[in-house]
Amino acid sequence: EPEVTQTPSHQVTQMGQEVILRCVPISNHLYFYWYRQILGQKVEFLVSFYNNEISEKSEIFDDQFSVERPDGSNFTLKIRSTKLEDSAMYFCASGGVRYEQYFGPGTRLTVT
Amino acid sequence: KNEVEQSPQNLTAQEGEFITINCSYSVGISALHWLQQHPGGGIVSLFMLSSGKKKHGRLIATINIQEKHSSLHITASHPRDSAVYICAAPGRAGGGADGLTFGKGTHLIIQP
Repeated sequence: EPEVTQTPSHQVTQMGQEVILRCVPISNHLYFYWYRQILGQKVEFLVSFYNNEISEKSEIFDDQFSVERPDGSNFTLKIRSTKLEDSAMYFCASGGVRYEQYFGPGTRLTVT
Repeated sequence: KNEVEQSPQNLTAQEGEFITINCSYSVGISALHWLQQHPGGGIVSLFMLSSGKKKHGRLIATINIQEKHSSLHITASHPRDSAVYICAAPGRAGGGADGLTFGKGTHLIIQP
């Protein structure tokens, strides 16, 4: 069964460094999403992407964040200058039709 | 913006019991998601429903659009059902590529 994959599974970085989290959505899906979950808290929406552009973004998704679909298969989330509070599990999701979402296994980002 | 509330936050039951988890949301929606999250963090989509009732194995999800309320039921519960169950709804009414707003989750423990 097709699934969303994410790499790396765990990323450790120093404060101020740039990180890129990678996602491979399910083939032929059209809707893409990034979420994050700080330890012990609920999952929060970051950004959605459709038709090669951002569809919606939350107040969390400030200028430090960007998303890209560089080659038609990958979907990346970049954090330009990481802060301690960016430490979280980041989930990618994709959907083939409106409202549908399949989640990846997540990338645990630790900022030291 | 949609507000999603779940109850109870924690639930401990004995194996075999019938389990009900409730979810209410504030903004009219076209689809609601029930998700499962195990320790280790991965999120699995259980149901996406827009009306009535869906059943998959021992899991049943219902939704009442007029009352903005949904329930997840587990029949003949088993220790392997122990997980966090999360209700999530589109952030805005009629959202398509809009991200989901998540409830805080219900931490379910089924004791043998």
